[in-house]
Amino acid sequence: GDSVTQTEGLVTLTEGLPVMLNCTYQTIYSNPFLFWYVQHLNESPRLLLKSFTDNKRTEHQGFHATLHKSSSSFHLQKSSAQLSDSALYYCALSDLAGGYKVVFGSGTRLLVSP
Amino acid sequence: NAGVIQTPRHKVTGKGQEATLWCEPISGHSAVFWYRQTIVQGLEFLTYFRNQAPIDDSGMPKERFSAQMPNQSHSTLKIQSTQPQDSAVYLCASSLAGTGAETLYFGSGTRLTVL
Repeated sequence: GDSVTQTEGLVTLTEGLPVMLNCTYQTIYSNPFLFWYVQHLNESPRLLLKSFTDNKRTEHQGFHATLHKSSSSFHLQKSSAQLSDSALYYCALSDLAGGYKVVFGSGTRLLVSP
Repeated sequence: NAGVIQTPRHKVTGKGQEATLWCEPISGHSAVFWYRQTIVQGLEFLTYFRNQAPIDDSGMPKERFSAQMPNQSHSTLKIQSTQPQDSAVYLCASSLAGTGAETLYFGSGTRLTVL
């Protein structure tokens, strides 16, 4: 079945440094939908950005990600981390092969310090 | 728009008791998803409904967990004979049609504690 892998459980950064959170996925379907959700402390997950188009950069709130079907990746990046970026980030996948259920990775906690 | 509403916010049960969790999706949304969130496992998919019909319950522990959606305005997740390992935050989410490209909108969750 579909699966999403986020290799880092915790990423710690100093404010101002670039952010990169890794996400790779597995599916038998050639047209997956990929998402990044962000969850701040004591809140519920909310959508950060999403993409369905191969090799097209998607941006929102200073973050960006590009879906690369050749490498089954959808890494999240930001040029300069802010203290307010500290949160739990989930990569997620949905596609026809999975009946459009949304499968999440294990999450990466980002901690940004001054 | 009140968003996805989940009740209760917190529930404490004794081992072996039953727990019923409620979810009211956003009005007009036809897909409802249930997830379990723990620090160790992250967001685990449990089950999902589209137009009130169960589409996929592959994440549900079959023996004690069941979910229903009797009408378009609410869904329930029932856990029988609760065990300490069921302690988690249970999140309900809804989307417009459940056709893959849509945003999931999450409720605030129900924190279940099994003593």
